[in-house]
Amino acid sequence: QKEVEQNSGPLSVPEGAIASLNCTYSDRGSQSFFWYRQYSGKSPELIMFIYSNGDKEDGRFTAQLNKASQYVSLLIRDSQPSDSATYLCAVNNGNNDMRFGAGTRLTVKP
Amino acid sequence: GAVVSQHPSWVICKSGTSVKIECRSLDFQATTMFWYRQFPKQSLMLMATSNEGSKATYEQGVEKDKFLINHASLTLSTLTVTSAHPEDSSFYICSASGGARGQPQHFGDGTRLSIL
Repeated sequence: QKEVEQNSGPLSVPEGAIASLNCTYSDRGSQSFFWYRQYSGKSPELIMFIYSNGDKEDGRFTAQLNKASQYVSLLIRDSQPSDSATYLCAVNNGNNDMRFGAGTRLTVKP
Repeated sequence: GAVVSQHPSWVICKSGTSVKIECRSLDFQATTMFWYRQFPKQSLMLMATSNEGSKATYEQGVEKDKFLINHASLTLSTLTVTSAHPEDSSFYICSASGGARGQPQHFGDGTRLSIL
């Protein structure tokens, strides 16, 4: 079992729709959770982080964490073509040991 | 805040050349720096983790003598690809993390290495 699992996609949504990206992790002791966006040919950039159960909103982005289910998700509202990228889920176990998922490729169609 | 600068952005060189890549944290102290490699359309692959003043910890399968990592200060880490060959051509990305546990990694812009 991979430590951090994501559906590789591609996930395709129409412009203006909600994109839902999901991630599960295996280490129950994980404490901090991150979403990165990586455009093709570029390095990852941090877009959200969440430490506590529940929802965290930042603009069009909402991160959701459920530690009991070992599940973290990212919702993107009013998706734009510029949101088309690969989204990486990352999980830190609190010892500066961060593991990345393989990423979900999102395409937002105009 | 949390800016990581990586240099150079592109390197094209002949087989057998050694190449040094620098990674600097510009506005924070990076107690831990990470080096990744990414092949086209593949996921990030962690090569090594380095803490300031200590030897780097390499992931399984990564040759220590091939990929030399130095983390001499809280703001600078370097990766040297020694005697590079075409199969070493890849996108190399560094990231840095501050002192508190659980903090995010902040990535440099990456270095595209092409060995002819």
